[in-house]
Amino acid sequence: DVQMTQSPSNLAASPGESVSINCKASKSISKYLAWYQQKPGKANKLLIYSGSTLQSGTPSRFSGSGSGTDFTLTIRNLEPEDFGLYYCQQHNEYPPTFGSGTKLEIK
Amino acid sequence: EVQLVETGGGLVQPGRSLKLSCVASGFTFNNYWMSWTRQAPGKGLEWVASITNSGGSTYYPDSVKGRFTISRDNAQNTLYLQMNSLRSEDTATYYCTRGGSPFAYWGQGTLVTVSS
Repeated sequence: DVQMTQSPSNLAASPGESVSINCKASKSISKYLAWYQQKPGKANKLLIYSGSTLQSGTPSRFSGSGSGTDFTLTIRNLEPEDFGLYYCQQHNEYPPTFGSGTKLEIK
Repeated sequence: EVQLVETGGGLVQPGRSLKLSCVASGFTFNNYWMSWTRQAPGKGLEWVASITNSGGSTYYPDSVKGRFTISRDNAQNTLYLQMNSLRSEDTATYYCTRGGSPFAYWGQGTLVTVSS
């Protein structure tokens, strides 16, 4: 199985700032990396797939980059609603596997 | 609007069985693979099972293979997860998700607690 290592585990930032979350795969997954947002009381949301393709409805301040084993989710000009948990997931092969999550908190 | 509504969770003793259901609406159900994903309390996400749009093929991780069965009724727009021989480590919120991977839409989840 492909192991996904996500960093940092916790991140604190202020509205208006930019942040980056990293995800590293234990072997090459080509471009097939997805990012999800999880917030209490709301359904999990797919933000980005195939490394950099924004899911319909994802604001343009979100961007994804990377290929092979190293990927990054960048959120520019943070909005209050962006705070929550973020997970990466490889969708190159079965079984699909997730990173351990990054908690983005308000500073 | 895509909606996925899970039901069937609850408290169950170790070794017993439970069947989860997920009613889908807002899209053509039989056009999509469907999956179950779970999250133990305070932990990360774990894929549990996937089924093709016709129901002809199913996929599981080793952690649940032989104990869990995913199925679907395309006439009723409903996805199921039959869970047998439940263990304490199966305690989690179970999410119904659209797609085989990645998972484009998620339900709100149903909590399964395995405890004596």
